Amino acid sequence: GENVEQHPSTLSVQEGDSAVIKCTYSDSASNYFPWYKQELGKGPQLIIDIRSNVGEKKDQRIAVTLNKTAKHFSLHITETQPEDSAVYFCAASRITGRRALTFGSGTRLQVQP
Amino acid sequence: EPEVTQTPSHQVTQMGQEVILRCVPISNHLYFYWYRQILGQKVEFLVSFYNNEISEKSEIFDDQFSVERPDGSNFTLKIRSTKLEDSAMYFCASSEVRLLIYNEQFFGPGTRLTVL
Repeated sequence: GENVEQHPSTLSVQEGDSAVIKCTYSDSASNYFPWYKQELGKGPQLIIDIRSNVGEKKDQRIAVTLNKTAKHFSLHITETQPEDSAVYFCAASRITGRRALTFGSGTRLQVQP
Repeated sequence: EPEVTQTPSHQVTQMGQEVILRCVPISNHLYFYWYRQILGQKVEFLVSFYNNEISEKSEIFDDQFSVERPDGSNFTLKIRSTKLEDSAMYFCASSEVRLLIYNEQFFGPGTRLTVL
């Protein structure tokens, strides 16, 4: 089955700096890669996703890159703000067939004001 | 904005008791999921449900677990005889069915299950 590795487990940055979180996956059939933000006591919230037919996607301060050959994808947050502090999870799945999300272990991002 | 809702927010039960966790998916979604997250660990897939039947399930989803869509809006997860290790946050999620292009799953706020 799919295995998703995520690092770092914790990340502390100064407000205004950039943050990068990296994930690798094992199943070459995976073709959908979402990122979720989880605040304390809440459910995961989808913030951005990417499909395997593109290499990069951007939405305001958030961007995701995908390298299918190396089987890794990354989340980039620019101009970080204190409200970006949360746990971020990457995940992998297929758009058809096996749609279950396999999650990474999470990254706790702390943005210091 | 439509959202997935779950009840109760916190359920405390005795080991061996049955519990039912309830979810109301987003109204036009047809694919439903249950995930769980043991404290401090990653989110794990339990089961997916489509067209009134289980679509896929993980090794965690054994005979103690069952899912049901009893009416047009609710989606439930039943644990027949709870064990201590069932203590976790249980998340319901739903997604549209637009094959080949779409698998965005939207999560509810979760039900914290504590088994004593």
